[in-house]
Amino acid sequence: EPEVTQTPSHQVTQMGQEVILRCVPISNHLYFYWYRQILGQKVEFLVSFYNNEISEKSEIFDDQFSVERPDGSNFTLKIRSTKLEDSAMYFCASSPREGTEAFFGQGTRLTVV
Amino acid sequence: GESVGLHLPTLSVQEGDNSIINCAYSNSASDYFIWYKQESGKGPQFIIDIRSNMDKRQGQRVTVLLNKTVKHLSLQIAATQPGDSAVYFCAENKAAGNKLTFGGGTRVLVKP
Repeated sequence: EPEVTQTPSHQVTQMGQEVILRCVPISNHLYFYWYRQILGQKVEFLVSFYNNEISEKSEIFDDQFSVERPDGSNFTLKIRSTKLEDSAMYFCASSPREGTEAFFGQGTRLTVV
Repeated sequence: GESVGLHLPTLSVQEGDNSIINCAYSNSASDYFIWYKQESGKGPQFIIDIRSNMDKRQGQRVTVLLNKTVKHLSLQIAATQPGDSAVYFCAENKAAGNKLTFGGGTRVLVKP
C-alpha cells in the first residue's frame, strides 16, 4: 500500500541552526502538507502546497519556514533558524484531490537544544 | 473563530464493548469531517470521513454520525479491541480548501 515517507525519524539540532525535513508523498497525489504536533497537543496545520506553490499557510508558518518540491518526488520543509519552541513532531501529508482525506507520514521528531 | 474540540480526554472501555467518541465543531462553513487514529509514535491514520450532505456513514466496525444542527460529530467503534487503543482526533475541512483543523484528541484505553 502506498504511503508517505519521512526522513529523518528524529532530528536533534542546536538553536539557531537550519534544518530540512524531508518527505516523499504518495506518488499520484497532487496536494502536499506539513503539520506539526507539539508533545501532548493537537495536530496543527502549517502549510499546504499545490501546483508548485503554497496554497495556504497558518500564522505559525512565518518567514523562518519554507517549503520546496525540488523534484518530482520530494517535498521539504526548511526551518532557517530553529528556536526551542520549534521542537515538535512534524508530519508530512498528501492527498489526491482538493477537499479529500490527507494521508500522513510517520513524522519527524525535531528536538531543538 | 474556527475550533474543533473534544469533550472527553480519556475513554476507558472494556474489550468487546462499543466506544463512542464525541467532537464539537464551531465553523458552520465546514463541510467535510475526518476521524483519525494516532498510535504512539506514529502519524495520524485515516479511519473514516463524512461530508455535510450526510448524517451517517459506516465503515468496518466504525460509524460516524454528523449532527449539523448542533455541530456535533461522533465516532462509534463496535466491539472495541485492544488494537483500538490510541488517540482519536476529529478534523474538519472546507471542501474548497485543504486545511485540516484538528480537535484536541481523545485517548481510548481498552481494558482486557
